[in-house]
Amino acid sequence: DGGITQSPKYLFRKEGQNVTLSCEQNLNHDAMYWYRQDPGQGLRLIYYSQIVNDFQKGDIAEGYSVSREKKESFPLTVTSAQKNPTAFYLCASGTGGYGYTFGSGTRLTVV
Amino acid sequence: KQEVTQIPAALSVPEGENLVLNCSFTDSAIYNLQWFRQDPGKGLTSLLLIQSSQREQTSGRLNASLDKSSGRSTLYIAASQPGDSATYLCAVPTWTSNDYKLSFGAGTTVTVRA
Repeated sequence: DGGITQSPKYLFRKEGQNVTLSCEQNLNHDAMYWYRQDPGQGLRLIYYSQIVNDFQKGDIAEGYSVSREKKESFPLTVTSAQKNPTAFYLCASGTGGYGYTFGSGTRLTVV
Repeated sequence: KQEVTQIPAALSVPEGENLVLNCSFTDSAIYNLQWFRQDPGKGLTSLLLIQSSQREQTSGRLNASLDKSSGRSTLYIAASQPGDSATYLCAVPTWTSNDYKLSFGAGTTVTVRA
């Protein structure tokens, strides 16, 4: 079945550490997105990529980095510069014309 | 800038009652509107995608209507069940200078009491 796979489901980060969240899709979508979800704040766009080797900052990109070396993969790195990384992270792919598909999410906690 | 509002923020109903969830948007130049369901700690599951040329879309007990000119969509869930308890989000893509920007409502949290 086509879909989006996010891993790991739970991730713990120590202070000053970089961590990488994985997102893989087999839907043959060009565009992929990363969102952050905090309680009471809804979904906020971190980064998006419309095509391989290209990506743009979203509304809250500071402290995050991404790469898009393959069409299927769009990993997100939460760097030590992100001061409040504890949140639920969602990856999506799709297009405004035909709708979006979301992954099951990664919950990141700072320990 | 597209703003999406969902009312009510929370809803509690007894099993069997019909659910009516509202979504409004400020910019009527939309391509479509998508309804999602989110269970606690889970990702978003797409329920219905209604194109701007459509007035409504149905899937099983779910029916979504779209009135583009007035900037409103309504999701109806017939004969609610405890398994319908979740947060429901509407999302609207708007074309910016070089890409679609997806704007979300804050969601309606539904509790169906057995």
